[in-house]
Amino acid sequence: ETVLTQSPGTLSLSPGERATLSCRASQSISGSYLAWYQHKPGQAPRLLIYGASSRATGIPDRFSGSGSGTDFTLTISRLEPEDFAVYYCQQYGRSPFTFGQGTKLEIQ
Amino acid sequence: EVQVVESGGGLVKPGGSLRLSCAASGFTFSGYSMNWVRQAPGKGLEWVASIGSSSGYIYYADSVKGRFTISRDNAKNSLYLQMNSLRAEDTAVYYCARGSEWVLGVSDHWGQGTLVTLSS
Repeated sequence: ETVLTQSPGTLSLSPGERATLSCRASQSISGSYLAWYQHKPGQAPRLLIYGASSRATGIPDRFSGSGSGTDFTLTISRLEPEDFAVYYCQQYGRSPFTFGQGTKLEIQ
Repeated sequence: EVQVVESGGGLVKPGGSLRLSCAASGFTFSGYSMNWVRQAPGKGLEWVASIGSSSGYIYYADSVKGRFTISRDNAKNSLYLQMNSLRAEDTAVYYCARGSEWVLGVSDHWGQGTLVTLSS
């Protein structure tokens, strides 16, 4: 099983700042099959990034993904008030298709 | 508009069974893989199971293997999750999610979820 470790656990920033979220895998993820999701309380999760760096339909270009192998990053260039949420990475290169434990992005 | 709507959640006793359903609309259901993902209270997302577009590929998390069965009916645009031998740790919101046309596991449209509560 591929274990995904996200850091930091909580990130406190202000609107307008840049956010950098990390996802590290216990083994190389084949095909860069790594996705990022945004989840707000009481709402359905939202796909942001797939294939490590491709934005999903309708996702603003302030969201970007990068990385390969075992190290991946989600960057939000300038935080908007609606971006404060929990973010999860997920690998889908090999079953079981595991999620990271999440990073909570909170308003400072 | 792509929509997936879960139903079938509720209160069940440990050891019991429950069948979740997911009604899909707004896309060609038979062309996409589908996923179930859950979130226990106060916890993160946990992938549960995935099924290919024609049911040829099926995968489960170790935590549910042998107890849960994912299936689909492409004629009815519906996805199912049969849950047997339920345990307290299966208490969670269960999300149905549309997968990809090409790979299993990733989810691009999610439902609002249905709550399954285990209690004696």
